[in-house]
Amino acid sequence: AQKVTQAQTEISVVEKEDVTLDCVYETRDTTYYLFWYKQPPSGELVFLIRRNSFDEQNEISGRYSWNFQKSTSSFNFTITASQVVDSAVYFCALSPPLEGSQGNLIFGKGTKLSVKP
Amino acid sequence: GAGVSQSPSNKVTEKGKDVELRCDPISGHTALYWYRQSLGQGLEFLIYFQGNSAPDKSGLPSDRFSAERTGGSVSTLTIQRTQQEDSAVYLCASSLVPDRGLNGYTFGSGTRLTVV
Repeated sequence: AQKVTQAQTEISVVEKEDVTLDCVYETRDTTYYLFWYKQPPSGELVFLIRRNSFDEQNEISGRYSWNFQKSTSSFNFTITASQVVDSAVYFCALSPPLEGSQGNLIFGKGTKLSVKP
Repeated sequence: GAGVSQSPSNKVTEKGKDVELRCDPISGHTALYWYRQSLGQGLEFLIYFQGNSAPDKSGLPSDRFSAERTGGSVSTLTIQRTQQEDSAVYLCASSLVPDRGLNGYTFGSGTRLTVV
Protein backbone atom coordinates (compact mmCIF):
# COMPACT_ATOMS: atom_id res chain seq x y z
CA ALA A 1 0.00 0.00 0.00
CA GLN A 2 1.08 3.54 -0.61
CA LYS A 3 0.95 6.07 2.14
CA VAL A 4 2.30 9.49 3.01
CA THR A 5 2.67 10.58 6.62
CA GLN A 6 3.15 14.15 7.77
CA ALA A 7 3.41 13.76 11.52
CA GLN A 8 3.43 17.48 12.26
CA THR A 9 -0.13 18.76 12.18
CA GLU A 10 0.72 22.36 13.04
CA ILE A 11 3.93 24.32 13.46
CA SER A 12 4.27 27.87 14.67
CA VAL A 13 7.49 29.84 14.31
CA VAL A 14 8.61 33.43 14.56
CA GLU A 15 9.73 35.21 11.43
CA LYS A 16 13.34 34.54 10.38
CA GLU A 17 13.43 31.17 12.10
CA ASP A 18 14.28 28.09 10.06
CA VAL A 19 11.64 25.38 9.97
CA THR A 20 11.61 21.79 8.67
CA LEU A 21 8.46 19.99 7.60
CA ASP A 22 8.70 16.23 7.78
CA CYS A 23 7.38 13.75 5.24
CA VAL A 24 7.66 9.98 5.40
CA TYR A 25 6.26 7.76 2.67
CA GLU A 26 5.57 4.09 2.02
CA THR A 27 5.55 2.42 -1.38
CA ARG A 28 6.50 -0.88 -2.97
CA ASP A 29 7.27 0.76 -6.30
CA THR A 30 10.93 1.07 -7.21
CA THR A 31 10.19 4.12 -9.30
CA TYR A 32 8.02 6.86 -7.94
CA TYR A 33 7.72 10.61 -7.64
CA LEU A 34 7.48 12.82 -4.60
CA PHE A 35 5.93 16.26 -4.50
CA TRP A 36 5.47 19.19 -2.19
CA TYR A 37 2.54 21.56 -2.55
CA LYS A 38 1.71 24.78 -0.72
CA GLN A 39 -1.89 25.71 0.04
CA PRO A 40 -2.18 29.35 1.13
CA PRO A 41 -5.39 30.67 2.72
CA SER A 42 -6.77 31.34 -0.76
CA GLY A 43 -7.10 27.58 -1.14
CA GLU A 44 -5.30 26.96 -4.40
CA LEU A 45 -2.59 24.31 -4.28
CA VAL A 46 0.73 25.63 -5.53
CA PHE A 47 3.31 23.21 -6.90
CA LEU A 48 6.73 23.54 -5.23
CA ILE A 49 8.82 20.57 -6.32
CA ARG A 50 8.77 17.13 -7.91
CA ARG A 51 11.51 14.62 -7.15
CA ASN A 52 12.21 11.38 -9.01
CA SER A 53 13.04 8.40 -6.81
CA PHE A 54 16.29 7.86 -8.70
CA ASP A 55 17.56 11.30 -7.89
CA GLU A 56 18.63 11.64 -4.28
CA GLN A 57 20.41 14.93 -4.70
CA ASN A 58 19.21 17.55 -2.32
CA GLU A 59 17.73 20.59 -3.95
CA ILE A 60 17.77 24.24 -2.98
CA SER A 61 15.59 26.95 -4.40
CA GLY A 62 16.06 30.27 -2.71
CA ARG A 63 14.97 29.88 0.92
CA TYR A 64 13.52 26.42 0.22
CA SER A 65 15.47 23.19 0.36
CA TRP A 66 14.51 19.56 0.20
CA ASN A 67 16.26 16.55 1.71
CA PHE A 68 15.38 13.25 0.03
CA GLN A 69 16.64 10.15 1.82
CA LYS A 70 15.55 6.89 0.26
CA SER A 71 17.08 4.86 3.09
CA THR A 72 14.61 6.36 5.55
CA SER A 73 11.79 6.96 3.01
CA SER A 74 11.76 10.62 3.89
CA PHE A 75 11.43 13.78 1.84
CA ASN A 76 11.73 16.69 4.24
CA PHE A 77 11.25 20.33 3.37
CA THR A 78 13.14 23.17 5.04
CA ILE A 79 12.32 26.86 4.87
CA THR A 80 15.23 29.09 5.85
CA ALA A 81 14.62 32.51 7.39
CA SER A 82 10.86 32.04 7.32
CA GLN A 83 8.57 34.91 6.41
CA VAL A 84 4.94 35.65 7.21
CA VAL A 85 4.04 34.91 3.57
CA ASP A 86 5.19 31.34 4.11
CA SER A 87 2.16 30.76 6.34
CA ALA A 88 0.15 28.03 4.65
CA VAL A 89 -0.66 24.35 4.73
CA TYR A 90 2.05 22.28 3.10
CA PHE A 91 1.29 18.91 1.55
CA CYS A 92 3.68 16.14 0.68
CA ALA A 93 2.48 13.72 -2.02
CA LEU A 94 3.55 10.48 -3.67
CA SER A 95 2.87 9.31 -7.21
CA PRO A 96 3.52 5.91 -8.79
CA PRO A 97 5.51 5.75 -12.02
CA LEU A 98 3.97 7.31 -15.07
CA GLU A 99 3.94 4.12 -17.13
CA GLY A 100 0.99 1.82 -16.65
CA SER A 101 -0.65 3.99 -14.05
CA GLN A 102 -2.83 7.03 -13.91
CA GLY A 103 -0.17 8.78 -11.88
CA ASN A 104 -2.63 9.60 -9.16
CA LEU A 105 -1.23 11.67 -6.30
CA ILE A 106 -1.44 10.29 -2.78
CA PHE A 107 -1.34 13.11 -0.27
CA GLY A 108 -0.34 13.39 3.34
CA LYS A 109 -2.72 15.21 5.67
CA GLY A 110 -0.67 18.37 5.54
CA THR A 111 1.25 20.53 7.98
CA LYS A 112 -0.14 23.93 8.84
CA LEU A 113 2.71 26.42 9.19
CA SER A 114 2.11 29.72 10.94
CA VAL A 115 4.87 32.31 10.76
CA LYS A 116 4.39 35.14 13.21
CA PRO A 117 6.00 38.56 12.80
CA GLY B 1 -7.46 29.36 -20.01
CA ALA B 2 -4.46 30.37 -17.97
CA GLY B 3 -5.33 28.15 -15.04
CA VAL B 4 -7.81 25.56 -13.84
CA SER B 5 -11.15 27.22 -13.22
CA GLN B 6 -13.75 25.83 -10.85
CA SER B 7 -17.29 26.98 -10.23
CA PRO B 8 -19.01 27.79 -8.04
CA SER B 9 -16.39 28.78 -5.51
CA ASN B 10 -18.88 28.24 -2.70
CA LYS B 11 -22.06 26.20 -2.59
CA VAL B 12 -24.48 25.77 0.28
CA THR B 13 -27.15 23.15 -0.24
CA GLU B 14 -29.80 21.41 1.78
CA LYS B 15 -29.39 17.78 2.70
CA GLY B 16 -30.95 15.56 0.08
CA LYS B 17 -30.51 17.95 -2.83
CA ASP B 18 -28.31 17.27 -5.86
CA VAL B 19 -25.34 19.49 -6.70
CA GLU B 20 -23.13 19.94 -9.73
CA LEU B 21 -19.57 21.19 -9.52
CA ARG B 22 -17.75 22.36 -12.62
CA CYS B 23 -14.09 22.20 -13.62
CA ASP B 24 -12.57 23.88 -16.64
CA PRO B 25 -9.00 22.56 -17.07
CA ILE B 26 -6.06 24.21 -18.75
CA SER B 27 -6.46 24.12 -22.50
CA GLY B 28 -4.63 21.15 -23.96
CA HIS B 29 -4.36 19.24 -20.69
CA THR B 30 -5.72 15.78 -21.36
CA ALA B 31 -5.59 14.46 -17.79
CA LEU B 32 -8.13 15.70 -15.25
CA TYR B 33 -8.48 14.73 -11.60
CA TRP B 34 -11.06 15.38 -8.91
CA TYR B 35 -10.01 15.40 -5.26
CA ARG B 36 -11.92 16.02 -2.05
CA GLN B 37 -10.43 17.83 0.94
CA SER B 38 -12.34 17.46 4.17
CA LEU B 39 -11.62 19.63 7.19
CA GLY B 40 -8.25 18.72 8.69
CA GLN B 41 -7.71 15.95 6.17
CA GLY B 42 -5.44 15.51 3.22
CA LEU B 43 -6.66 15.31 -0.31
CA GLU B 44 -8.69 12.25 -1.20
CA PHE B 45 -8.65 11.07 -4.81
CA LEU B 46 -12.10 10.74 -6.39
CA ILE B 47 -11.86 10.22 -10.15
CA TYR B 48 -9.45 10.54 -13.05
CA PHE B 49 -10.07 11.24 -16.74
CA GLN B 50 -7.48 10.69 -19.46
CA GLY B 51 -8.40 11.65 -23.00
CA ASN B 52 -11.11 9.40 -24.40
CA SER B 53 -10.30 6.48 -22.11
CA ALA B 54 -12.79 5.17 -19.58
CA PRO B 55 -12.39 7.17 -16.37
CA ASP B 56 -10.84 5.69 -13.25
CA LYS B 57 -13.68 5.92 -10.72
CA SER B 58 -11.96 3.94 -8.00
CA GLY B 59 -11.96 6.83 -5.53
CA LEU B 60 -15.65 7.69 -5.64
CA PRO B 61 -17.00 7.13 -2.12
CA SER B 62 -20.50 6.01 -3.10
CA ASP B 63 -22.85 5.66 -6.06
CA ARG B 64 -24.25 9.09 -5.22
CA PHE B 65 -21.10 10.52 -6.78
CA SER B 66 -20.59 10.64 -10.53
CA ALA B 67 -18.58 12.70 -12.97
CA GLU B 68 -18.37 13.26 -16.66
CA ARG B 69 -16.04 15.06 -18.99
CA THR B 70 -17.49 16.39 -22.19
CA GLY B 71 -15.37 16.75 -25.31
CA GLY B 72 -12.23 16.02 -23.36
CA SER B 73 -12.39 19.41 -21.68
CA VAL B 74 -14.89 20.61 -19.08
CA SER B 75 -15.78 18.18 -16.30
CA THR B 76 -18.80 18.10 -14.01
CA LEU B 77 -18.87 16.31 -10.66
CA THR B 78 -22.40 15.49 -9.53
CA ILE B 79 -23.39 14.54 -6.01
CA GLN B 80 -26.92 13.22 -5.65
CA ARG B 81 -28.96 13.30 -2.45
CA THR B 82 -26.23 15.19 -0.61
CA GLN B 83 -25.39 14.26 2.98
CA GLN B 84 -23.70 16.36 5.64
CA GLU B 85 -20.55 14.25 5.37
CA ASP B 86 -20.23 15.42 1.77
CA SER B 87 -19.28 18.88 3.08
CA ALA B 88 -15.74 19.51 1.89
CA VAL B 89 -13.66 21.41 -0.61
CA TYR B 90 -13.69 19.72 -3.99
CA LEU B 91 -10.52 20.34 -5.97
CA CYS B 92 -9.90 19.75 -9.62
CA ALA B 93 -6.48 19.35 -11.19
CA SER B 94 -5.24 18.92 -14.72
CA SER B 95 -1.97 17.91 -16.31
CA LEU B 96 -0.43 17.44 -19.70
CA VAL B 97 0.25 13.85 -20.68
CA PRO B 98 2.86 12.45 -21.19
CA ASP B 99 4.44 15.31 -19.24
CA ARG B 100 2.21 14.29 -16.38
CA GLY B 101 3.49 15.63 -13.13
CA LEU B 102 6.79 16.94 -14.50
CA ASN B 103 5.86 20.45 -13.50
CA GLY B 104 3.25 19.37 -11.07
CA TYR B 105 -0.42 18.97 -11.53
CA THR B 106 -2.19 22.35 -11.76
CA PHE B 107 -4.99 22.69 -9.25
CA GLY B 108 -8.00 24.95 -9.24
CA SER B 109 -9.07 26.97 -6.22
CA GLY B 110 -11.78 24.46 -5.41
CA THR B 111 -15.47 24.52 -4.63
CA ARG B 112 -16.37 24.69 -0.94
CA LEU B 113 -19.51 22.62 -0.50
CA THR B 114 -21.56 22.94 2.67
CA VAL B 115 -24.51 20.65 3.21
CA VAL B 116 -26.93 21.92 5.85
